[in-house]
Amino acid sequence: DIQMTQSPSSVSASVGDRVTITCRASQGISSWLAWYQQKPGKAPKLLIYAASSLQSGVPSRFSGSGSGTDFTLTISSLQPEDFATYYCQQANSFPRTFGPGTKVDIK
Amino acid sequence: QVQLQESGPGLVKPSQTLSLTCTVSGGSISSGGYYWSWIRQHPGKGLEWIGYIYYSGSTYYNPSLKSRVTISVDTSKNQFSLKLSSVTAADTAVYYCARDWPFGCVDVWGQGTTVTVSS
Repeated sequence: DIQMTQSPSSVSASVGDRVTITCRASQGISSWLAWYQQKPGKAPKLLIYAASSLQSGVPSRFSGSGSGTDFTLTISSLQPEDFATYYCQQANSFPRTFGPGTKVDIK
Repeated sequence: QVQLQESGPGLVKPSQTLSLTCTVSGGSISSGGYYWSWIRQHPGKGLEWIGYIYYSGSTYYNPSLKSRVTISVDTSKNQFSLKLSSVTAADTAVYYCARDWPFGCVDVWGQGTTVTVSS
């Protein structure tokens, strides 16, 4: 299985801040990476697919980059509704595997 | 648009079989092009992919659960189902059904259903 790691595990930030989350795969996955946002008691929501493609309806302040083993999710200007947990997921092979999550909370 | 809804018992006794069904609305499982998946999330933890089924019936299961998992599809009812046998407390989780689209990620999720394993 491909192992996914994320850093940091949590980040405290203020509205308007730029936030960057890193995801690393244990082996190369080309651009087969997705990012999700999850709020408490809700299902995850797809934000980014194919490492850098914005899912329809997702605000443009979210962006993704990277290829191979190292990826980033950036929120350019944090909004109140962005406080949540973010997960990366490799889409290169089965079984699909997820990172452990990064919680973004209010400073 | 496509919506998914899980259903099934919220409480299962240890050693028994957990059974859940996902009903798909707003689209047809038989149209192809998607994998229909089950994913779970242990309390306060991350996400674990359980397996998928294609409309044709082909499946793939997470090797960590393979010996206990069966996923089936009923195209006439536009449903797919999960069975997990010999459950223990470690199988207590929120179970999501999901649509895995060609980019290898989930674009549609069910709302999730909590299953507790307890006597």
